[in-house]
Amino acid sequence: GQNIDQPTEMTATEGAIVQINCTYQTSGFNGLFWYQQHAGEAPTFLSYNVLDGLEEKGRFSSFLSRSKGYSYLLLKELQMKDSASYLCAVLDSNYQLIWGAGTKLIIKP
Amino acid sequence: DVKVTQSSRYLVKRTGEKVFLECVQDMDHENMFWYRQDPGLGLRLIYFSYDVKMKEKGDIPEGYSVSREKKERFSLILESASTNQTSMYLCASSLSAENTGELFFGEGSRLTVL
Repeated sequence: GQNIDQPTEMTATEGAIVQINCTYQTSGFNGLFWYQQHAGEAPTFLSYNVLDGLEEKGRFSSFLSRSKGYSYLLLKELQMKDSASYLCAVLDSNYQLIWGAGTKLIIKP
Repeated sequence: DVKVTQSSRYLVKRTGEKVFLECVQDMDHENMFWYRQDPGLGLRLIYFSYDVKMKEKGDIPEGYSVSREKKERFSLILESASTNQTSMYLCASSLSAENTGELFFGEGSRLTVL
């Protein structure tokens, strides 16, 4: 079966750095996506990786290793507004998104 | 900016009622999707559509149907609501087949079935 694993919850301190991991086992791979979802709101697109390596976008970076079936989202200089759930999703061989259950990130002052 | 609008943020229905959830997008996107989101589970795809009048079953289509009569509108129908359909329903759209991973979501419709 297809599976996406990510931690259920993480806690970090304002101003610090946090890394949210995602491992996947899917039938085929056409890209990995990270979304942010604030409580009670819609998910919004953060990043896309299809080749191995690091993609940087401001305070957020996303890394992919296809051989290991592994990705992480790195958030730097954490702000209180970064408190949200972060969803990892993989586009499989049928171009369907397979979603992880999400990681709830709690930022403490 | 792309805007995806869902007709109702909160609904309370009784078991056996017919429920309509409407979704409209304003950016001429080809693809539209209906997901449900439940605590501890990833988003689960109910139905999707890549074109007007076209629909495809997702992973959990049982108990649901959809309608896409116009490009901008994708409706989810629960023919006879049941308590296990209590959930958050999310509509999403994407530009084209080549962009099926970058989705734009509506605010969600939280349905409670009593």
